[in-house]
Amino acid sequence: AQKVTQAQTEISVVEKEDVTLDCVYETRDTTYYLFWYKQPPSGELVFLIRRNSFDEQNEISGRYSWNFQKSTSSFNFTITASQVVDSAVYFCALSEAASGTYKYIFGTGTRLKVLA
Amino acid sequence: GAGVSQSPSNKVTEKGKDVELRCDPISGHTALYWYRQSLGQGLEFLIYFQGNSAPDKSGLPSDRFSAERTGGSVSTLTIQRTQQEDSAVYLCASSLTPSTDTQYFGPGTRLTVL
Repeated sequence: AQKVTQAQTEISVVEKEDVTLDCVYETRDTTYYLFWYKQPPSGELVFLIRRNSFDEQNEISGRYSWNFQKSTSSFNFTITASQVVDSAVYFCALSEAASGTYKYIFGTGTRLKVLA
Repeated sequence: GAGVSQSPSNKVTEKGKDVELRCDPISGHTALYWYRQSLGQGLEFLIYFQGNSAPDKSGLPSDRFSAERTGGSVSTLTIQRTQQEDSAVYLCASSLTPSTDTQYFGPGTRLTVL
């Protein structure tokens, strides 16, 4: 069955440290999409990145980078030189073509606290 | 352009009352989704609309929950005879098309059932 696991419930780091948020997914579908969203204290889910199952290229956007590995069913997110503004809950999500609706299956989220 | 909007932002109601939650998707987005975020259940899918049709209602937790979408735009989620376990944040998302597009989320409606 489809599932997304974010084993880290909460992570605390000191500003300027690098931090990696883990995401492991399960799916039987060959066509699927993976996402990361940020939920700051204001509550709104902010889109960060989308990857499809056919593109394993890693991606870097400023201080953010993502490592997609189909061999381990993982889609990990690294923040380099963390800042206080990065404090939020981060969600990993999966959508599958086979669902027909592409509804999201979310992980339980990782709360990141960046301390000044 | 405007993002997804939801109203009200907060709703406090008494157990047994009916509530209506509204979602205005991004203009032109054909796909609309409702999710619920609660402490015990995390973020869970409720219902999906393509245009005005709801081909997937599999996430609605009981027959007290219903939703409609009109004009391919605004959607209303209705909860009848609210229970305390309905307390949660209800999130709406829309995407241009379901298949290859990212879902963009509204700010949510926080529902508290006393």
